Formats: sequence, C-alpha cells, structure tokens
Amino acid sequence: NAGVMQNPRHLVRRRGQEARLRCSPMKGHSHVYWYRQLPEEGLKFMVYLQKENIIDESGMPKERFSAEFPKEGPSILRIQQVVRGDSAAYFCASSRGQGQPQHFGDGTRLSIL
Amino acid sequence: QQQVKQSPQSLIVQKGGISIINCAYENTAFDYFPWYQQFPGKGPALLIAIRPDVSEKKEGRFTISFNKSAKQFSLHIMDSQPGDSATYFCAADRDDKIIFGKGTRLHILP
Repeated sequence: NAGVMQNPRHLVRRRGQEARLRCSPMKGHSHVYWYRQLPEEGLKFMVYLQKENIIDESGMPKERFSAEFPKEGPSILRIQQVVRGDSAAYFCASSRGQGQPQHFGDGTRLSIL
Repeated sequence: QQQVKQSPQSLIVQKGGISIINCAYENTAFDYFPWYQQFPGKGPALLIAIRPDVSEKKEGRFTISFNKSAKQFSLHIMDSQPGDSATYFCAADRDDKIIFGKGTRLHILP
C-alpha cells in the first residue's frame, strides 16, 4: 500500500494522558500536513511540516499540541494532558511539494474518556 | 469566520439525476480549489480540482464550474449513482493550507 499511513486507527486516552499520533507520508512525498475533524464538520488545518522544519503552525492550539517530522521516521502529532474536547478524527496528508495535491490518510480517531 | 461556505448540508438525488453542490469563498488570495469525497471511516479523497483562471473543468461525470467575479464554484455530478453516496467537501487552498467547507452529505436513491 503506497498511500499515507496513519496509526493507530483508534486511540483511547483518559483525561490528562498523552496522545501520540503517527503519519508516514506517501513514497516520494516530503511535505506533511495535519488536520482535525470534529463530528459533522469539515477538516480544520493544524500544521504544515517538511523534514525537520515547521512551515506553518497557524492552526495549532498554543498549548499542549506539538508536531514534528524528523529526518528519519514518521511525522508525530503529540497532544499532552488531553481533555474531552480533544476527541476528534485527526487526518494527515502528504504532498510532493508546494502547490502539489495533498493526499490524505484514513485518520486516527481519538477518544478521551 | 467561515472562509468557505458550502450548501446544501444534505442532498438526496434519484439515481441517474444530477447532483449539484455549491460553494462560496471570501479570500481572493486562494489559488486552488479542490473537491474531496469522503466515505465513512475513511480519509478525504481528492476528486477534482480547478484553478481560478479556468471557468470549467470536467472529468468523467464530475464537473466544476467556477465564477471568479462572484467568488463561487460548484460541483455537478452527472448520472448520479448509488456508489456516489458520500460526504463531499469543497475547499480553497493558499500556500498549501486547505480551508474546507462543512461538507454535503449526498445520498443517491437506487
């Protein structure tokens, strides 16, 4: 499967725990984007990364959320001290470069107990 | 504020009919307008896209009409089929940051 791979598909956390969401881009893609989708809503942009660089994080909450895309390995979206409002589907997309189409993974459904 | 407004929220069309979804945007700096199709439990899949220097783009049964002066664009699905039943999102892109509409849940009656 050469598509964008996200894991886990489902993640359950208790309030106050940490959530780590992983995204492996499509082969040949070096740009990664994270979006959040609330029920019955469209996707909301969070962050845009290239290898080892954050290009645009204007959609990231100021606290508890962070993202990285290291030189080796997947991109990670990290949510510290999760709260009920963090429950959502988190989607990752990748592209070959600026101005190129973004291809989405099937998301991670995060549930906070 | 909602930069991309999409309507209707839901749509029911008979098999073989034409499905029409409309969108309007506010920011004239957007330079790429994709449409995505999403099935339950799946990620959005790019369906068709257009740039603002083109007024219409057709790919198979899917057509985008684009009105730059009115800042409006629409998706037409010709000969709609039950397999087209899904949620459709219009979107606008600037600097690789995609702004999505809230989606239209399309149901095609067999």
